[in-house]
Amino acid sequence: KQEVTQIPAALSVPEGENLVLNCSFTDSAIYNLQWFRQDPGKGLTSLLLIQSSQREQTSGRLNASLDKSSGRSTLYIAASQPGDSATYLCAVKGGSNSGYALNFGKGTSLLVTP
Amino acid sequence: NAGVTQTPKFRVLKTGQSMTLLCAQDMNHEYMYWYRQDPGMGLRLIHYSVGEGTTAKGEVPDGYNVSRLKKQNFLLGLESAAPSQTSVYFCASQGAIYGYTFGSGTRLTVV
Repeated sequence: KQEVTQIPAALSVPEGENLVLNCSFTDSAIYNLQWFRQDPGKGLTSLLLIQSSQREQTSGRLNASLDKSSGRSTLYIAASQPGDSATYLCAVKGGSNSGYALNFGKGTSLLVTP
Repeated sequence: NAGVTQTPKFRVLKTGQSMTLLCAQDMNHEYMYWYRQDPGMGLRLIHYSVGEGTTAKGEVPDGYNVSRLKKQNFLLGLESAAPSQTSVYFCASQGAIYGYTFGSGTRLTVV
């Protein structure tokens, strides 16, 4: 069974800092990896999707990398802002035996202070 | 384009009552999923469907049933609710290109 781990579980940084969120997975035979953002009491918003053949994806101040061989992904947030405060979830796409469902980590709770 | 719509958004049930959660998507996606999210546990897959008329068990299926009679709808049923089913339930659908789209969630409390 694919296990997805996110470190750290919680992070507090002052505004303006660059930061890195980490995600690791146990089975390197993945289809893709997706990063989501979840605000308190809200649903999931997709941030970046990296296909298994890709090394990284960028969107604005966000950059996600993928190293399949080592089972790791990182989400880099540049020049953090208080509006970035949320929980960030990493998810790996499973195989056909689970209908290609996503396997989620438990998330990193980020607080950016003014 | 509404995406994935879940109803209801909130519900309080008494132990032993039954209810159905509705998930509707308008993107013509084949794959649909039901997850539950609990503090400290992350999102866990309850059931999934790979197309109209199909359903399959996920990681935590006990106490739930599902149906996919129409391609756009995926229903999650609780026949006899238990306090352990207090959770936030998310529905999702999968498209080939744009990954997964999630609904806004249903917050269920069983007392």
